[in-house]
Amino acid sequence: DAGVIQSPRHEVTEMGQEVTLRCKPISGHNSLFWYRQTMMRGLELLIYFNNNVPIDDSGMPEDRFSAKMPNASFSTLKIQPSEPRDSAVYFCASSLDLIRGYTFGSGTRLTVV
Amino acid sequence: RKEVEQDPGPFNVPEGATVAFNCTYSNSASQSFFWYRQDCRKEPKLLMSVYSSGNEDGRFTAQLNRASQYISLLIRDSKLSDSATYLCVVTSNTGNQFYFGTGTSLTVIP
Repeated sequence: DAGVIQSPRHEVTEMGQEVTLRCKPISGHNSLFWYRQTMMRGLELLIYFNNNVPIDDSGMPEDRFSAKMPNASFSTLKIQPSEPRDSAVYFCASSLDLIRGYTFGSGTRLTVV
Repeated sequence: RKEVEQDPGPFNVPEGATVAFNCTYSNSASQSFFWYRQDCRKEPKLLMSVYSSGNEDGRFTAQLNRASQYISLLIRDSKLSDSATYLCVVTSNTGNQFYFGTGTSLTVIP
């Protein structure tokens, strides 16, 4: 099992640029979650999908953030335009059954300068 | 009020010590409870689930007190490799998403 795969591992971009983060969940998992982690705020849920359908996007900070899940094996989180305050580690996680917990990807460390 | 509250620490303990972390949650209808461990610059990983009757996995013991709405994690005979941040996790009352605490930092000192 390859686990949850995220890319890129690191991203440094200039303010105003578009950033796209990618996630491949574990095969067979039907729920996918995007989190953001900072020292100040800890882990924050941005959005989650169930069977490729967005269920709750109330954590998406503003319209600059958007997420898609076109199929069961791929999701993207896009920030356009990016701002320095978006700098954080972005984690994707997937789950088959929440009773068993999530499996996280290794994260994307985003720095916006 | 936050869904989950944890003492951020840091806890600095000598090798071999016993250390306990507590976590409180606000939603009495929460269904499932977990402890995750996160190493520096790594992703969180599931350490153990927390069952109503309490459960043990080697040196680790987790307990749930639904009446007082808190969960705890006890680590006995601490090892250097236990140094990490420990995250308390509670599911929503619908059971379809997790709420994470901000984590408790543990450093085990030689």
